[in-house]
Amino acid sequence: EAGVTQFPSHSVIEKGQTVTLRCDPISGHDNLYWYRRVMGKEIKFLLHFVKESKQDESGMPNNRFLAERTGGTYSTLKVQPAELEDSGVYFCASSPGLGGGETQYFGPGTRLLVL
Amino acid sequence: RKEVEQDPGPFNVPEGATVAFNCTYSNSASQSFFWYRQDCRKEPKLLMSVYSSGNEDGRFTAQLNRASQYISLLIRDSKLSDSATYLCVVRDTGNQFYFGTGTSLTVIP
Repeated sequence: EAGVTQFPSHSVIEKGQTVTLRCDPISGHDNLYWYRRVMGKEIKFLLHFVKESKQDESGMPNNRFLAERTGGTYSTLKVQPAELEDSGVYFCASSPGLGGGETQYFGPGTRLLVL
Repeated sequence: RKEVEQDPGPFNVPEGATVAFNCTYSNSASQSFFWYRQDCRKEPKLLMSVYSSGNEDGRFTAQLNRASQYISLLIRDSKLSDSATYLCVVRDTGNQFYFGTGTSLTVIP
């Protein structure tokens, strides 16, 4: 079974540019989560989808971040315009059930560097 | 105050040693508890869930103390392959997951 995949693996952009990250969860997983790890800090929750609906987006830093999950399959996270402090590793995770309390399977992450 | 706190280490132990990590959490209403393992520049992977009764998986034992709000992980007979960062993860009532900063373990030959 294919795991969670993320694209791109790395992205280097300049401040003010736009970047879109993609996550493909494990097939059939209703729950999809986005997390971010800033250097030296812990992994922090950004938001949670159940199918195509945003269940919780309380962790989104500001309105420069926009996440979508059209059709309830893959998800995108767009940062526009990017700022220096957005640099970090963005992880996506998925889990099977509607309850959302089950094991999360993480993707390899996208390493974003904003210059 | 952070939701989840861990001693970052590093812990450097010889092969065969027993090592223990602790983690504390701030929300007494937290629902679920986990230990994840993260290798360098890789994604976190579930090591084990932690139950109130304690649970064991081979050389790994996890325990939860709700009264004191801490979680522990014990690794017996350490192997070189156990070298990694161990993340304590807690799920709250709102279904958000909170991560500790991780504890770094290096097992030395």
